Amino acid sequence: KAGVTQTPRYLIKTRGQQVTLSCSPISGHRSVSWYQQTPGQGLQFLFEYFSETQRNKGNFPGRFSGRQFSNSRSEMNVSTLELGDSALYLCASSFAQSGETQYFGPGTRLLVL
Amino acid sequence: QKEVEQDPGPLSVPEGAIVSLNCTYSNSAFQYFMWYRQYSRKGPELLMYTYSSGNKEDGRFTAQVDKSSKYISLFIRDSQPSDSATYLCAMKFSGGYNKLIFGAGTRLAVHP
Repeated sequence: KAGVTQTPRYLIKTRGQQVTLSCSPISGHRSVSWYQQTPGQGLQFLFEYFSETQRNKGNFPGRFSGRQFSNSRSEMNVSTLELGDSALYLCASSFAQSGETQYFGPGTRLLVL
Repeated sequence: QKEVEQDPGPLSVPEGAIVSLNCTYSNSAFQYFMWYRQYSRKGPELLMYTYSSGNKEDGRFTAQVDKSSKYISLFIRDSQPSDSATYLCAMKFSGGYNKLIFGAGTRLAVHP
């Protein structure tokens, strides 16, 4: 079974631009969560989608948004990029609503100049 | 104070040593406890998953959860250079959603 895939793997953007990242979960998984990983703050939860609905959101500004499609694929968008948005963005998928393990993709490394 | 505390290390051990990695937490509502391994420039890989208290063993890895002390551990027996990575503990509340709260991660180096 294929794992979680994320595209693109690397991105370089400049301040003020916006970016869209994509995540394809493991086949059959309906829950997709997004995390931001930085050296200073570690891994922090951004939001989770289940059956195309956002169920939970972390403590991030409204510039961070996401959506999920009917095939469970998910995208996250960051608008008006800031230098501090440079990070590894990780997507994790799981089968059920809760109580199940989550499997991470390789991440998208975003550099904001 | 962070909800989950984990010593970032680095921890350096000789090949064959027993490694002990630990996390403490403050919220007694956590019910699911996980350990992930992350190699440089890769995504976290799930190693161990435990519900509530107790021990779980998988090959060279043993996870322990002591809810009374709000303390979890991961033991690695017969450590190998390939175990060199960052180890992240993660926790989740019961019921509802899939939000994981992570520790800072401990960087482990196993030298031959």
